[in-house]
Amino acid sequence: EDQVTQSPEALRLQEGESSSLNCSYTVSGLRGLFWYRQDPGKGPEFLFTLYSAGEEKEKERLKATLTKKESFLHITAPKPEDSATYLCAVRGGSQGNLIFGKGTKLSVKP
Amino acid sequence: EAGVTQFPSHSVIEKGQTVTLRCDPISGHDNLYWYRRVMGKEIKFLLHFVKESKQDESGMPNNRFLAERTGGTYSTLKVQPAELEDSGVYFCASSQETWGEAFFGQGTRLTVV
Repeated sequence: EDQVTQSPEALRLQEGESSSLNCSYTVSGLRGLFWYRQDPGKGPEFLFTLYSAGEEKEKERLKATLTKKESFLHITAPKPEDSATYLCAVRGGSQGNLIFGKGTKLSVKP
Repeated sequence: EAGVTQFPSHSVIEKGQTVTLRCDPISGHDNLYWYRRVMGKEIKFLLHFVKESKQDESGMPNNRFLAERTGGTYSTLKVQPAELEDSGVYFCASSQETWGEAFFGQGTRLTVV
């Protein structure tokens, strides 16, 4: 069964304190691993798509990496505005739907 | 360019009533998805349209849920009759290609009392 597990569930950082979020997945025939950011009361906001092991993508203070079993979202020198829930999802098999993890709630204190 | 738009943003209904949620995808996106998040759980897939056709409805919980996409544009999701366990946030997403990035709306928070 396709599955996504994110850790930790919650993460508290001081402004400027770099860290990483983990997304472990099991999927038949990966057709993309997706990272989204979700703010309270809003829908998921697309960040990155990774398709193959070894691939990396960056956007401002965020960098996503992918291996055959997991993905990491690295946050460098975070700011309070980076506080949000970060969602990981995979797409696999022959269907286009996404399978989501429960998310990591990130809080960055000034 | 307008994003994915959902109506209403909130809905509170009594058990046994009917509710219809609407989603307007990004213009030109043939793929439209419905997802749901119930409290404490992850976002889960409900169904997938390609234009006006249902590509995959394996996530629909039961026959109280009916989704339509007339003319391949906007979509509606009707719950009839609503039950308490239907409460949650319903998200719509659209993508240009089946394997491309999916963009989400802000969601409709449904509360059944």
